[in-house]
Amino acid sequence: EAGVAQSPRYKIIEKRQSVAFWCNPISGHATLYWYQQILGQGPKLLIQFQNNGVVDDSQLPKDRFSAERLKGVDSTLKIQPAKLEDSAVYLCASSLVRAAEAFFGQGTRLTVV
Amino acid sequence: AQRVTQPEKLLSVFKGAPVELKCNYSYSGSPELFWYVQYSRQRLQLLLRHISRESIKGFTADLNKGETSFHLKKPFAQEEDSAMYYCALSSGGSQGNLIFGKGTKLSVKP
Repeated sequence: EAGVAQSPRYKIIEKRQSVAFWCNPISGHATLYWYQQILGQGPKLLIQFQNNGVVDDSQLPKDRFSAERLKGVDSTLKIQPAKLEDSAVYLCASSLVRAAEAFFGQGTRLTVV
Repeated sequence: AQRVTQPEKLLSVFKGAPVELKCNYSYSGSPELFWYVQYSRQRLQLLLRHISRESIKGFTADLNKGETSFHLKKPFAQEEDSAMYYCALSSGGSQGNLIFGKGTKLSVKP
């Protein structure tokens, strides 16, 4: 079975610029998650979608981060404007239903300079 | 507050030696606990979960509610076990809504 696909794999931007990440979950998976993993830390959940609705975005810095999952399939995560502390790996994960195992993508490594 | 603590950043053992990766948690309620593993250049993947009570690749983990621990153990380490290991806690009934520890890098030397 194809895994969770993310693009780009790497991105370098200057602070105050905007950036967007894309995620294509495993086919049929209703639940989608975005995580932020800063170097030396474990992943931290940013937002959880159930189909195209947001279930939990309590840890999403909404002043600069936004995410959407149109049509309940692909999702994009945007940062505008980026700060140096946003440098991290952004992981997307999906699960068949909320109570099922989550499968992770390879991640997008963002460097803000 | 919900929290997962992995006290060791790095654990180095020789092949054939026993391994124990420590994990302690703080959670008000009945926790669901997991171990995730990330091999070099591979994606994060589930290793095992406490509700399954299974052994995967020779690893086991027992939930100790009294000590709020979920340590990962293997009696005889193999070189291919070298990886980054994350303990995680699930909240809200969603197995993907996870609180991760900082991870322990396991290095198994020949």
